Amino acid sequence: EPEVTQTPSHQVTQMGQEVILRCVPISNHLYFYWYRQILGQKVEFLVSFYNNEISEKSEIFDDQFSVERPDGSNFTLKIRSTKLEDSAMYFCATQRGGGELFFGEGSRLTVL
Amino acid sequence: AQSVTQPDIHITVSEGASLELRCNYSYGATPYLFWYVQSPGQGLQLLLKYFSGDTLVQGIKGFEAEFKRSQSSFNLRKPSVHWSDAAEYFCAVVPTQGAQKLVFGQGTRLTINP
Repeated sequence: EPEVTQTPSHQVTQMGQEVILRCVPISNHLYFYWYRQILGQKVEFLVSFYNNEISEKSEIFDDQFSVERPDGSNFTLKIRSTKLEDSAMYFCATQRGGGELFFGEGSRLTVL
Repeated sequence: AQSVTQPDIHITVSEGASLELRCNYSYGATPYLFWYVQSPGQGLQLLLKYFSGDTLVQGIKGFEAEFKRSQSSFNLRKPSVHWSDAAEYFCAVVPTQGAQKLVFGQGTRLTINP
């Protein structure tokens, strides 16, 4: 069964460092998303991406965040200068077009 | 304001007992509705979904959910829980048709007593 793959599964970084989280979406999916879940809290929408551009972003997705799909396969989330409050589980999700989102296993980011 | 509400933060039931997790939404049109389950340290697994048609939907692991338009609810049920059902359960909606973001409720943590 096709699945969304995320790497790394866990990353520990120092505050102020850049982090890149990677996602390999299901091959025929067209819509891509990043969500965040701070420990003990609900899953929050960060950004959606379609046709090589951001289609929607939340207030959380400020200038420190960026997304791209550089090679037509990987979908990446970059945090330019990490803060302590960026510590969370980051989920990639993909969608063929309308309806169900398929989630990856998540990347746990710990900022020290 | 548009939202998804799960009124119960934490529920404890005994193994073998029945379960109902509540979910209410406040959107003008009928959204797409989902229930996801998250085991500790794991990702999100889809239990079931409702797009249209029969308002009682069956999912994996013996779960079902009923869409009630008049109550703007999509409650999750299971007739007899197993210890392995202990997890966090999230109700989520896609507010309109088409490729839209998923909006999650706060989640309900389910504990199973032996």
